[in-house]
Amino acid sequence: GAGVSQSPSNKVTEKGKDVELRCDPISGHTALYWYRQRLGQGLEFLIYFQGNSAPDKSGLPSDRFSAERTGESVSTLTIQRTQQEDSAVYLCASSFYRYNEQFFGPGTRLTVL
Amino acid sequence: TQLLEQSPQFLSIQEGENLTVYCNSSSVFSSLQWYRQEPGEGPVLLVTVVTGGEVKKLKRLTFQFGDARKDSSLHITAAQPGDTGLYLCAGPSLNRDDKIIFGKGTRLHILP
Repeated sequence: GAGVSQSPSNKVTEKGKDVELRCDPISGHTALYWYRQRLGQGLEFLIYFQGNSAPDKSGLPSDRFSAERTGESVSTLTIQRTQQEDSAVYLCASSFYRYNEQFFGPGTRLTVL
Repeated sequence: TQLLEQSPQFLSIQEGENLTVYCNSSSVFSSLQWYRQEPGEGPVLLVTVVTGGEVKKLKRLTFQFGDARKDSSLHITAAQPGDTGLYLCAGPSLNRDDKIIFGKGTRLHILP
């Protein structure tokens, strides 16, 4: 079946603009994660959705970042008033509940000029 | 706060050499996962270790989970250029949220 997909694959924007990143998880996966990965660095946790529970937003770096998920399907990560330090690859992952294997999408490379 | 500390951060060795990378924590984990991320792609799961003292082999890769389930190691025998990548360990949070926590990774470069 299809894996996790993310769009766009690349996004170049100007400082101060808003951007919206999309993640389509694997069907049936209840858990969905967003991570940020700066060049040459590890994964920085942003937000976690698990079923119908309230999302864990503890990793969001500022109130310019927000994310939504509709049920157990698509998720969008929105960054308002982008800054140059927001430039990174944004990775989405989904898993079938709890501690199961996370399946990652290819990421969206965001460049803020 | 639960943390997974990975060492070394960077490792560059010649093809054919052996190496070991580590994932350590002061907290007990019910399981640990190892992922490998190649440039331009998302991480991919290599293995999950669940039982203290467990050893799992995946071709030239040997994974070990510490007896106390606080640490894990990955040993690669006769490293090849295809082993190059970022190796990440991850484990479930002790909190009720079941969130997975990642270490910062070991960036491995195998020189041909």
